Amino acid sequence: QKEVEQDPGPLSVPEGAIVSLNCTYSNSAFQYFMWYRQYSRKGPELLMYTYSSGNKEDGRFTAQVDKSSKYISLFIRDSQPSDSATYLCAGFSGGYQKVTFGIGTKLQVIP
Amino acid sequence: GAGVSQSPSNKVTEKGKDVELRCDPISGHTALYWYRQSLGQGLEFLIYFQGNSAPDKSGLPSDRFSAERTGGSVSTLTIQRTQQEDSAVYLCASSLGLAPDTQYFGPGTRLTVL
Repeated sequence: QKEVEQDPGPLSVPEGAIVSLNCTYSNSAFQYFMWYRQYSRKGPELLMYTYSSGNKEDGRFTAQVDKSSKYISLFIRDSQPSDSATYLCAGFSGGYQKVTFGIGTKLQVIP
Repeated sequence: GAGVSQSPSNKVTEKGKDVELRCDPISGHTALYWYRQSLGQGLEFLIYFQGNSAPDKSGLPSDRFSAERTGGSVSTLTIQRTQQEDSAVYLCASSLGLAPDTQYFGPGTRLTVL
């Protein structure tokens, strides 16, 4: 079992839809949770970074962490074609310097 | 300012040859990471440098893989006697400190072993 599980998709949605991307994790030591966006043939870029449980909002993006169920979510409101990319979730324990990534979900927003 | 750069962007090699991949981190970033991204496998941690030393080499898949970092800056990842299963995108990232919120990735080197 991978430490971070993520459905690879692809997920296709119409422009303007609310997108929900999800991951589960098994490592209880994770304290920090991240979402990265990766465009084709580019390196991942950090989108959202949260500590412990709770919600964090940044513009159209909301990250949600539920440590009790080991569940991580990213919501994208009013999705745009420019949001089409692969989204990777990740966990980090802090005491051991390794970020553990999910496989990534490929998202396509159709105009 | 300049981001993380990697060279070459693409490398095609024959099975059994050695390859060297280079990473130039953001100036002043003390931590440097190498990852491998394969289709269907996601991002796999290979090795991490703090300064010039590598506290964690646990992700290197075999003794054919090695990496070094000099002057607290440039890093090279060397793969000896390449195999077809080494084909992947090799990504480098650097960060100011140890927190991942300052971690920036390079564009990667796409390695194809024929």
